[in-house]
Amino acid sequence: EPEVTQTPSHQVTQMGQEVILRCVPISNHLYFYWYRQILGQKVEFLVSFYNNEISEKSEIFDDQFSVERPDGSNFTLKIRSTKLEDSAMYFCASRPRGGRVTYEQYFGPGTRLTVT
Amino acid sequence: AQSVTQLDSHVSVSEGTPVLLRCNYSSSYSPSLFWYVQHPNKGLQLLLKYTSAATLVKGINGFEAEFKKSETSFHLTKPSAHMSDAAEYFCVVSDNLQTNAGGTSYGKLTFGQGTILTVHP
Repeated sequence: EPEVTQTPSHQVTQMGQEVILRCVPISNHLYFYWYRQILGQKVEFLVSFYNNEISEKSEIFDDQFSVERPDGSNFTLKIRSTKLEDSAMYFCASRPRGGRVTYEQYFGPGTRLTVT
Repeated sequence: AQSVTQLDSHVSVSEGTPVLLRCNYSSSYSPSLFWYVQHPNKGLQLLLKYTSAATLVKGINGFEAEFKKSETSFHLTKPSAHMSDAAEYFCVVSDNLQTNAGGTSYGKLTFGQGTILTVHP
């Protein structure tokens, strides 16, 4: 069964460094998402991506964040200059082109980002 | 705007007894509602979904949920808990892919805070 994969599973970085989190969505999916979960808090929406552009983003997704689908396969989240408060589990998700009823998203296992 | 409240942060049951995980939602539009489960060190797995068809929704592993619009609830139930059900459960609402007053939405999910289910032998 196809699944969303994410690498690395755990990333440790120093404050101020750039990190790139990688995701490979399911191959025939067209909508892509990033979410994050700070320890002990809710899973929060960051950004959605469709047709090679950001379709929606949250207040969390400021200029320090960017997303890219560089090769039609990978979907990346870049944080330019990490802060301590960026420490969280980051989930990638994808969804097929839906009709009126298919809105479920398929999630990857997550990347745990630790900023020291 | 949409939001989800899971009424219990922890639920503990004995194996073989019923499970009830409570969820209330708020949505400006006709919502889609989901329950996802997360086992330790695993990703989020879809248990079931409601998308404006039957109000009683059956999912995997014997779980089901009933959409009650009048109560704005979408509680998750299972008649008999199994040890393998121990996990964290998330109630999730989605605004649908449609043009609304604010423009087109692309299925952003809003999560509840999660309920940790513990199953005792």
